[in-house]
Amino acid sequence: SQTIHQWPATLVQPVGSPLSLECTVEGTSNPNLYWYRQAAGRGLQLLFYSVGIGQISSEVPQNLSASRPQDRQFILSSKKLLLSDSGFYLCAWSASSPEQYFGPGTRLTVT
Amino acid sequence: GQQLNQSPQSMFIQEGEDVSMNCTSSSIFNTWLWYKQEPGEGPVLLIALYKAGELTSNGRLTAQFGITRKDSFLNISASIPSDVGIYFCAGLSSNTGKLIFGQGTTLQVKP
Repeated sequence: SQTIHQWPATLVQPVGSPLSLECTVEGTSNPNLYWYRQAAGRGLQLLFYSVGIGQISSEVPQNLSASRPQDRQFILSSKKLLLSDSGFYLCAWSASSPEQYFGPGTRLTVT
Repeated sequence: GQQLNQSPQSMFIQEGEDVSMNCTSSSIFNTWLWYKQEPGEGPVLLIALYKAGELTSNGRLTAQFGITRKDSFLNISASIPSDVGIYFCAGLSSNTGKLIFGQGTTLQVKP
């Protein structure tokens, strides 16, 4: 069966520091991968999605970037964090059907 | 852009009561998904609907794909304390092919 992992589970970072969040999927090949941000426990904002290695689409202009160095690995990064980057970051995967399956999330607090 | 209007925004009910929530839009959707998110975790897929008029159950949960393809409903019968969480609808846009999420319904159940 398929599983999705996110690392780390929680993170506290100072303003201006870099960021790297990792998402990995097991048990499937060539998944579509997504990064979402959720503020205050409500609403999912799609940040990036990827249909294959090296293919990244950005949904909103922001201080973040994404990369997909391997088929089942998706990374969310920032060179300099802002206070507004705080939130709950969720990675999700899908196959050929519309259903998306979410990871456990990373709680990021920028201080 | 396309939006899903999810209501109610929150509900506080007594254990044993039935719950009903819905999502509406001015746009047509090809698929409707319902997710549940518990505090500090990622959303979990509950029910997927693929055809207009489709009625699908998952235990005490029942969801329907509206005939007009512009809405969907989720009902929970005989609520229990573990039903607490945020329920999200998501629709696959017929225009863009993207999954759009509602803002969520927060459910609290009093024992």
